[in-house]
Amino acid sequence: GENVEQHPSTLSVQEGDSAVIKCTYSDSASNYFPWYKQELGKGPQLIIDIRSNVGEKKDQRIAVTLNKTAKHFSLHITETQPEDSAVYFCAARLSSGSARQLTFGSGTQLTVLP
Amino acid sequence: NAGVTQTPKFQVLKTGQSMTLQCAQDMNHEYMSWYRQDPGMGLRLIHYSVGAGITDQGEVPNGYNVSRSTTEDFPLRLLSAAPSQTSVYFCASSYKDRVSEQYFGPGTRLTVT
Repeated sequence: GENVEQHPSTLSVQEGDSAVIKCTYSDSASNYFPWYKQELGKGPQLIIDIRSNVGEKKDQRIAVTLNKTAKHFSLHITETQPEDSAVYFCAARLSSGSARQLTFGSGTQLTVLP
Repeated sequence: NAGVTQTPKFQVLKTGQSMTLQCAQDMNHEYMSWYRQDPGMGLRLIHYSVGAGITDQGEVPNGYNVSRSTTEDFPLRLLSAAPSQTSVYFCASSYKDRVSEQYFGPGTRLTVT
């Protein structure tokens, strides 16, 4: 089955700096890569996603890049703010599309220092 | 819209006890699922349902039962709680053709002693 590895497990940045979280996946058949943000005491929330036919996608301060050849994808947050502090999860989904094929990374605790 | 609601928020059980974690959604989503979240392991799928009357196993189904008698509700039953089931449990829902865009509930923190 699919295996998703996520690094780093913790990340601290100064407010205004950029943060980058990286994930690698094992199954080349995966074609959909969402990112979730989980704030303390809440459930994960989808923040951005990318499909395998696209190399990069941006949404304001958040961007995701995908390298299909190397089987890795990354989340980039620019001009970080204290409210960006949360746990971020990447995931990969096989082309069949059911949640059974949605595999999550282990999460990254991002702390934005004021 | 209340979204996805879960009860209780916290629960402590003794080994061998049974209980049901409740999940409800008011978005008319066909798809519902249960995950457990353990430190350093991300989210793992326990069971899921693509509609009323239909359920299937996920990655870690042992020790859990589910049923889906209505579109709105998807309870998770622990038959005989074990310390290994200490975890945070999340329910999620989505439209069946957009399962990656799942809406998660706030979670239930379960401790089994």
